[in-house]
Formats: sequence, C-alpha cells, structure tokens
Amino acid sequence: DVKVTQSSRYLVKRTGEKVFLECVQDMDHENMFWYRQDPGLGLRLIYFSYDVKMKEKGDIPEGYSVSREKKERFSLILESASTNQTSMYLCASTSQGAYGYTFGSGTRLTVV
Amino acid sequence: AQKITQTQPGMFVQEKEAVTLDCTYDTSDQSYGLFWYKQPSSGEMIFLIYQGSYDEQNATEGRYSLNFQKARKSANLVISASQLGDSAMYFCAMREGPYDYKLSFGAGTTVTVRA
Repeated sequence: DVKVTQSSRYLVKRTGEKVFLECVQDMDHENMFWYRQDPGLGLRLIYFSYDVKMKEKGDIPEGYSVSREKKERFSLILESASTNQTSMYLCASTSQGAYGYTFGSGTRLTVV
Repeated sequence: AQKITQTQPGMFVQEKEAVTLDCTYDTSDQSYGLFWYKQPSSGEMIFLIYQGSYDEQNATEGRYSLNFQKARKSANLVISASQLGDSAMYFCAMREGPYDYKLSFGAGTTVTVRA
C-alpha cells in the first residue's frame, strides 16, 4: 500500500526549540509539499519541492525551512519554535503529470 | 486575493438526503484543476473527486458529483443519499496551470449528518 508517512502524530515542544518534522513517501514522487492547517483558514502551503535539493517558498514560509536531500524524504524545520506555530502539519506528494495527491496522516504540533 | 472560497463553515444534513457544498474559485489560467477532499475526525485527507477545466462533463464518483459552472467559477460538491460516515470536514482545492503542482485550499465546510 503506497503511502506518505509523517514521523510523529503528536508533538509537544517548548518555545525556542528547533523542531524537525519528517515526511517520507514510498511512491517515487517528484513533488512534495508541506501545509499547515488551522481552523477557519484551511490548508496553507509552507514550502514545496519538485526535485531533490530543490525547494520553493509557499504562501507562509516565515519561521520555517525545509530540506530534501533524498527524493523520498522532505523535512520541515522550525528553527526556533513559537506558540503561533502550534498547528496541524500535513505533508503531501504527487508525481509529474498526475493529479492525485497523497497526504500523510498529519502531525499535530503544540508549542508551549 | 483568496483563490478558493467556501462560504459555509458548517452544515447539518439529514441521513439519506442530498447536500451541496459551495466552492468558488479565482484564477486567470485557462488550464486548471479542481479537487474535493474529505477529512474525517481522524485527520486523514481523502480524495473525493476531480474536475479539469477543459472537461465538458461534470465529474461524478459514486455518490459524489461536482457541479462545475465555469463561467461562474463555481465547483460545488453534491453528496447524494448522505450517510452518517459522511460527517467530516470537506475542502475544495485548485491547481493552476499544467505544470504547477501546488494546491490552493479553501477554509473548509464541516458537514454533520443527523440520523
């Protein structure tokens, strides 16, 4: 069964900590995305990548960075976590030319 | 400007009845795709239906159909014969252009099906 795996379902971190959210897909997809989901705002794109070592800013990149050293793995990094980064984080992937997106099950991050 | 607008934060529907979820979009691209996703309380995003901008027929997938009105930039989701398992958050999303794979999402509509 093909899937996108996010390493943690729930995460609690302290303000100022460096936080890594990992996403791994086993479908050989070129394109990977990080979204955050907040009530009343839907999903907003943080960063995306169309190839290994490639990254582009989405709509709300401030306070985040990403890393894609291998095709299957796309990491979201919160350099210094803040309480306003408490949210649900969703990773997704898709292949070139396809319209189907596969989402991970999400990481609910709480920053205290 | 908001690319996807879902104006209904929450809706109640009686079991076995049909429900229409509104979605309007804004794009200047001629080639685009419209998606609907379901998110139950478990949090997973489930793909429901897709409509391409050049598709002449409205998309249908089982009990789901997409009422695509291109001139009005509207892509409403119709769920027929609602079931208790349809209770979830529903998101409308758009992909613009043939080579841009980003999705823009609306704020979502929560549907609660009553027995």
